[in-house]
Amino acid sequence: RKEVEQDPGPFNVPEGATVAFNCTYSNSASQSFFWYRQDCRKEPKLLMSVYSSGNEDGRFTAQLNRASQYISLLIRDSKLSDSATYLCVVPTGGGNKLTFGTGTQLKVEL
Amino acid sequence: NAGVTQTPKFQVLKTGQSMTLQCAQDMNHEYMSWYRQDPGMGLRLIHYSVGAGITDQGEVPNGYNVSRSTTEDFPLRLLSAAPSQTSVYFCASIRDRGSNSPLHFGNGTRLTVT
Repeated sequence: RKEVEQDPGPFNVPEGATVAFNCTYSNSASQSFFWYRQDCRKEPKLLMSVYSSGNEDGRFTAQLNRASQYISLLIRDSKLSDSATYLCVVPTGGGNKLTFGTGTQLKVEL
Repeated sequence: NAGVTQTPKFQVLKTGQSMTLQCAQDMNHEYMSWYRQDPGMGLRLIHYSVGAGITDQGEVPNGYNVSRSTTEDFPLRLLSAAPSQTSVYFCASIRDRGSNSPLHFGNGTRLTVT
């Protein structure tokens, strides 16, 4: 099993839709998790951190399910500007390494 | 603060040439790392450092060397470039790994090896 796995997509959704991505991880000892957003040919930027059961920031909600070892990202009322690749990041190697998923591509359309 | 600064932004090398990708941060971060990003592979950790004088290998270290003589700088060296090293390289830093702080990324270096 890969350390971090994501559905690559692409997810093509209409503007205003709700969309959710999942990310599974193999290291049950991981305590903190992150979602990053990456625009084409740009550096990744932090979207949300998840330390306990979940986190909410406006239209974005991240949830953690430790029993099943996955985190999810929910985007409500999708905007055209949400089109990007969303990367799941999990600490591995005793916490000294951060392992990225391959990313899920989202395309929001008119 | 400039954050994390990477140079150069673009580079073309011939097979066998050597070069150093520069990375500097002015946030007094302990942890610095280098990633490469390839289509379909995501970001893969090359090397990382938890402090000055300390470096360790990541997932794909072969063909790359690093050093951390100061807190601010973490250069990545390609001793003999190969076409397989064509990629986008990102340097990133965190205040310290135990703080759950986010990674701060540089703008990336796009390297082509012919």
